[in-house]
Amino acid sequence: EVQLVESGGGLVKPGGSLRLSCAASGFTFSSYNMNWVRQAPGKGLEWVSYISSINIIYYADSVKGRFTISRDNAKNSLYLQMNSLRDEDTAVYYCARSSPAADYLEYWGQGTLVTVSA
Amino acid sequence: DIQMTQSPSTLSASVGDRVTITCRASQSISSWLAWYQQKPGKAPKVLIYKASSLENGVPSRFSGSGSGTEFTLTISSLQPDDFATYYCQQYSSLITFGQGTRLEIK
Repeated sequence: EVQLVESGGGLVKPGGSLRLSCAASGFTFSSYNMNWVRQAPGKGLEWVSYISSINIIYYADSVKGRFTISRDNAKNSLYLQMNSLRDEDTAVYYCARSSPAADYLEYWGQGTLVTVSA
Repeated sequence: DIQMTQSPSTLSASVGDRVTITCRASQSISSWLAWYQQKPGKAPKVLIYKASSLENGVPSRFSGSGSGTEFTLTISSLQPDDFATYYCQQYSSLITFGQGTRLEIK
């Protein structure tokens, strides 16, 4: 069974940093493209970042230069390093696995809440 | 960047109704479109991929159609479990979501 479990969320002050983790199990992690998607309270879904199985990386314009996605295939883990956090980064952050054939999001974690507030 | 526009934003319907949600892309995305269902406090769940392919385990009352820039999600006979928010997502160029359609009980 595919499982994605996010951790690392919490309360952080504007300008601060946080590192999210996503522990993957039930599939060959190294073979799949992975994503971070966020959802601000009461709002819609916003794609944040993508890392392919061969470490091709993309970011949404809203986080470019502040967030860094990475993966550790030996640990079956995905990460999101978030720096220079702003109030508008407050959201539930989901880790999501792309499908094998295309980048629709086949499996999602339960999400971790990041709150940026003074 | 490709923008996705869903309509309506809110839809009121009754159990047994047939409902359709529309998604428009700002440029052609071929058939690289997925539909998701999200319930409060839960992660989204994929229903349809490649515009019209039903994800395993999704009831056949859900169907998708369209290509290029215009797409629809249809629920043929609403069930109580279907009241949720629905999102389209393009994956032709990076990933973009529509703003969502909240399907509520009339």
